[in-house]
Amino acid sequence: QVQLVQSGAEVKKPGASVKVSCKASGYTFTSYGISWVRQAPGQGLEWMGWISAYNGNTNYAQKLQGRVTMTTDTSTSTAYMELRSLRSDDTAVYYCAIVFSWGQGTLVTVSS
Amino acid sequence: DIVMTQTPLSLSVTPGQPASISCKSSQSLLHSDGKTYLYWYLQKPGQSPQLLIYEVSSRFSGVPDRFSGSGSGTDFTLKISRVEAEDVGVYYCMQGIHLPHTFGQGTKLEIK
Repeated sequence: QVQLVQSGAEVKKPGASVKVSCKASGYTFTSYGISWVRQAPGQGLEWMGWISAYNGNTNYAQKLQGRVTMTTDTSTSTAYMELRSLRSDDTAVYYCAIVFSWGQGTLVTVSS
Repeated sequence: DIVMTQTPLSLSVTPGQPASISCKSSQSLLHSDGKTYLYWYLQKPGQSPQLLIYEVSSRFSGVPDRFSGSGSGTDFTLKISRVEAEDVGVYYCMQGIHLPHTFGQGTKLEIK
């Protein structure tokens, strides 16, 4: 069955960077683009960006431009999302998703 | 960016009764390929979102037939014919035609 398994929770200080991984299985990795979505505590879903697993093309939310980088490694069917210059309002659960399946989420806490 | 507006933001429903959620987009979601890229997700408490409906009205695999989607252009509706206790959570519509993809604010369904 289709699975997206994400890396574990992270605690970071303001100004640091975080890199979350998302390992896919159960489907042909290059067939679907991967979106990254975050959810701040008690809030709704915020789309962060998308990467084509086929050719690596990306599209990022404007508010995150310059701070976020999404990549894929087709040899391991893994997607990565790196967010830099972390702020307290980046504290959220980060999800990777294809249209019909989501990862379990990775809690990133930014605190001094 | 396309704005997705859901109403109501909360619902309290007696088991066995119907429920309906509206989602309006600020632009048409009809693609030149003839498909309309409107999705409905349910996020159960403590879980990742799960796909219920894709392309307005197609139920995803394993989704009970009490869930149905309808609409066109900019106006869409999710209906639950008979609410069950397991349907509690937050329902989100999402448009997948224009980047950035955007979500509605979410509609919280609780059981009376």
